[in-house]
Amino acid sequence: QQPVQSPQAVILREGEDAVINCSSSKALYSVHWYRQKHGEAPVFLMILLKGGEQKGHDKISASFNEKKQQSSLYLTASQLSYSGTYFCGTEMGNTPLVFGKGTRLSVIA
Amino acid sequence: GAVVSQHPSWVICKSGTSVKIECRSLDFQATTMFWYRQFPKQSLMLMATSNEGSKATYEQGVEKDKFLINHASLTLSTLTVTSAHPEDSSFYICSARDLEGGSYNEQFFGPGTRLTVL
Repeated sequence: QQPVQSPQAVILREGEDAVINCSSSKALYSVHWYRQKHGEAPVFLMILLKGGEQKGHDKISASFNEKKQQSSLYLTASQLSYSGTYFCGTEMGNTPLVFGKGTRLSVIA
Repeated sequence: GAVVSQHPSWVICKSGTSVKIECRSLDFQATTMFWYRQFPKQSLMLMATSNEGSKATYEQGVEKDKFLINHASLTLSTLTVTSAHPEDSSFYICSARDLEGGSYNEQFFGPGTRLTVL
């Protein structure tokens, strides 16, 4: 079952923050976040496994709610290099990842 | 992180011909590999799950006789697009998981293969 991502697209100025959401109608085993630049393969950002988990590195972090049905990706003080399409991939338990439709992020100077 | 390679990175072929795409896990053994297809401005759609030494599991709507998958070793899976048509033109991406020792790890993606069928 494909997770629902929102927003579909967002435009930011450098230094602004963004939140991308990913939700499922059922509890998930894990959620994975990827960023894809045009014409390239997705690049892994992070994985969340536990309900209530929050993790991050540098200015990109993510959370996974207690019910394990919703995850959010937080981009703070955005940089031009953050531009791309962000996908969440979800799984129910040792199953292939099912990806959301993606969120297109454009960071402008 | 683990490295997954794909070959070729791009290919142009004539309609009716077959194209083989290789996916290799370079520094780990992958008992399971996944094949995705991505059309422009769309999400990655899972085509099939490739298991070493057994038949692949195809997603609904994916023709197994058209998209032949072989996973002959723990480091190599191949996808052959048979009798390719222009509508098969897409970005094909493989991924693999390193499940050694029972630990859970992220899914590593190859760089993708862009197929254009004329």
